Amino acid sequence: QQPVQSPQAVILREGEDAVINCSSSKALYSVHWYRQKHGEAPVFLMILLKGGEQKGHEKISASFNEKKQQSSLYLTASQLSYSGTYFCGTGVVSGNTPLVFGKGTRLSVIA
Amino acid sequence: GAGVSQSPSNKVTEKGKDVELRCDPISGHTALYWYRQRLGQGLEFLIYFQGNSAPDKSGLPSDRFSAERTGESVSTLTIQRTQQEDSAVYLCASSWGQTIYEQYFGPGTRLTVT
Repeated sequence: QQPVQSPQAVILREGEDAVINCSSSKALYSVHWYRQKHGEAPVFLMILLKGGEQKGHEKISASFNEKKQQSSLYLTASQLSYSGTYFCGTGVVSGNTPLVFGKGTRLSVIA
Repeated sequence: GAGVSQSPSNKVTEKGKDVELRCDPISGHTALYWYRQRLGQGLEFLIYFQGNSAPDKSGLPSDRFSAERTGESVSTLTIQRTQQEDSAVYLCASSWGQTIYEQYFGPGTRLTVT
């Protein structure tokens, strides 16, 4: 089943923060976050594994709440380059697996 | 180093024709995935190859869709008797090994069925 992402879209001014959520009705083993700019391929941001770990990548970090089957992506002090559509992809097994992606969250950062 | 490449980048075809889409994964990546992305939608899994194992075809929407992979290299996705609802961007991704790794995506092939 497709994970649900919220919000569907958000507009930020440079320097503002945002949180994007990804929720699943299935027990998850992994959550993968990607950013896709218009007309380009999705670019990998990070993977979170079962165990509730939190990971960071520059000013972008994420958490995975195993009990709630929910992951959140945190963007702090947003930059214009953060604009794009953010997708979460979920996996239910411990090995390499095709991901089930959410519909995406469109983030627009304006000056 | 070279990333995942796909060809053609754009394909316009008439309804009922067959099309072949090609994917060249990153060298050494044993896992290869095909996804479909309709306009404004998320990525929809189609088929997954892992080394020499039988492919996971559970995402193929109909028997008009098929895919092959030569060893651990090139893959071809074939759509027979194309329909207008097949119009989408077809993305290929590859990754290392059998444990969980990030998937590297190609630029996609935009298919338009008229």
